[in-house]
Amino acid sequence: AQTVTQSQPEMSVQEAETVTLSCTYDTSESDYYLFWYKQPPSRQMILVIRQEAYKQQNATENRFSVNFQKAAKSFSLKISDSQLGDAAMYFCAYRIPLTQGGSEKLVFGKGTKLTVNP
Amino acid sequence: NAGVTQTPKFRVLKTGQSMTLLCAQDMNHEYMYWYRQDPGMGLRLIHYSVGEGTTAKGEVPDGYNVSRLKKQNFLLGLESAAPSQTSVYFCASNQRWTGELFFGEGSRLTVL
Repeated sequence: AQTVTQSQPEMSVQEAETVTLSCTYDTSESDYYLFWYKQPPSRQMILVIRQEAYKQQNATENRFSVNFQKAAKSFSLKISDSQLGDAAMYFCAYRIPLTQGGSEKLVFGKGTKLTVNP
Repeated sequence: NAGVTQTPKFRVLKTGQSMTLLCAQDMNHEYMYWYRQDPGMGLRLIHYSVGEGTTAKGEVPDGYNVSRLKKQNFLLGLESAAPSQTSVYFCASNQRWTGELFFGEGSRLTVL
């Protein structure tokens, strides 16, 4: 069974510092997508960054970057120059593309609550 | 841009009552999903649909029914609400062969 594990229920970081959120997953598939979603207190789920498993290069979106280690099944999120607005729940998610006759597999971790201290 | 819209945003039910959550998307997406979010549990897939007229069970389908009569709408029904169904419900959609989900703002349901 595919599972996603976020081992850090809570993290905190000082404003302007860097923080890394960890995520590991378990799968036997070779082709899949990985995501980090942010959920601020407004409850809206916001895509932060995505990574296709076939791409070796780590994805980057402004201050957000990932360290994707396919062999180790690890997908950590690094937030640089943390800002107060980064405070939120962060969910790691794993998805296998839906194929004809197959079943959808989209699995979320339980989340990491990030606090940014001024 | 409306994106994915859920109604209602909040609802309080008594045990045994029924209700329907409506999800509408204006992005012409083929795939639609209903998730529930509970503290410490992340998001769990209830049901999903890969196209108009189709539905399939997700991880936690018991106690829920769904319908996708129109491509843009995905309804989640609770026939006989139970306190265990107190949760925040999210609808999401995406296009075929892409990974990113587009989420609605969530609907908070309380069953007394």
